Amino acid sequence: AQKVTQAQTEISVVEKEDVTLDCVYETRDTTYYLFWYKQPPSGELVFLIRRNSFDEQNEISGRYSWNFQKSTSSFNFTITASQVVDSAVYFCALLNYGGATNKLIFGTGTLLAVQP
Amino acid sequence: DAGVTQSPTHLIKTRGQHVTLRCSPISGHKSVSWYQQVLGQGPQFIFQYYEKEERGRGNFPDRFSARQFPNYSSELNVNALLLGDSALYLCASSLVRASVQETQYFGPGTRLLVL
Repeated sequence: AQKVTQAQTEISVVEKEDVTLDCVYETRDTTYYLFWYKQPPSGELVFLIRRNSFDEQNEISGRYSWNFQKSTSSFNFTITASQVVDSAVYFCALLNYGGATNKLIFGTGTLLAVQP
Repeated sequence: DAGVTQSPTHLIKTRGQHVTLRCSPISGHKSVSWYQQVLGQGPQFIFQYYEKEERGRGNFPDRFSARQFPNYSSELNVNALLLGDSALYLCASSLVRASVQETQYFGPGTRLLVL
C-alpha cells in the first residue's frame, strides 16, 4: 500500500526561526515521485518541489531546502529564517505512477504558524 | 499565463440536490484530475481524465461523475448531495498523463457546503 505520513499536525515558531516539516512515505514502487505543496488560507495548493526516486541530492531554493533519504523513506522540508508569509498548511504527496492512473496520495498536512 | 481556474468559488446546496463544478486547465495541459479535501484532511483523489477519457477513479460512490470536453476543460457532477459531501473540491491539470515530467498544478478550488 502507498501511504504518506506527516506526524506533525501543527507547528508554531517565531519569525526568523528555522523549522523542519517531516514526511515519511511508503511505497513498493522502485520509481516514484514526491512532492511538497503549500496551502495558504485561500485554499489553493501551490506546488513547491518535485523529487524523483533516483535523485537523492538535497535541494535548496532560497530559504527552502529539502532532504530526501531513501534509506529512511523520508522527504523532509526545512524553512530557514521563517517569515509570517510562510504560515500555511504544507502537504507532502506521493505520485502513484504508472498503470492507468496517476494520482497524488497526500499526507494529512502540517499547519505551520509563524508568529511575528 | 493563466493558471487552473475553477468555478464557482463557493456554493451552498441542500441535501438531495445536484451540483456541477467546472475547471479549466492550464493552456496546453491535457490531463485534469479532481480531488476532494474535507476539513483537516489532505486531498483525496476522485477522478483523472486525459484526452477526454476517464483514466482513473478513486474510492467514491457513483453519485460522483465527471467528464472532459474537447477543449480539455472538465466538469465534476455530484448527485443526491449528502452532508458529508461538504468539502473543498480541487482541480489539477498536468501536461501529460504519464511522464517523468508530470506535475499537477492546482486551481483555487470550489468550496461546497451542503445543508
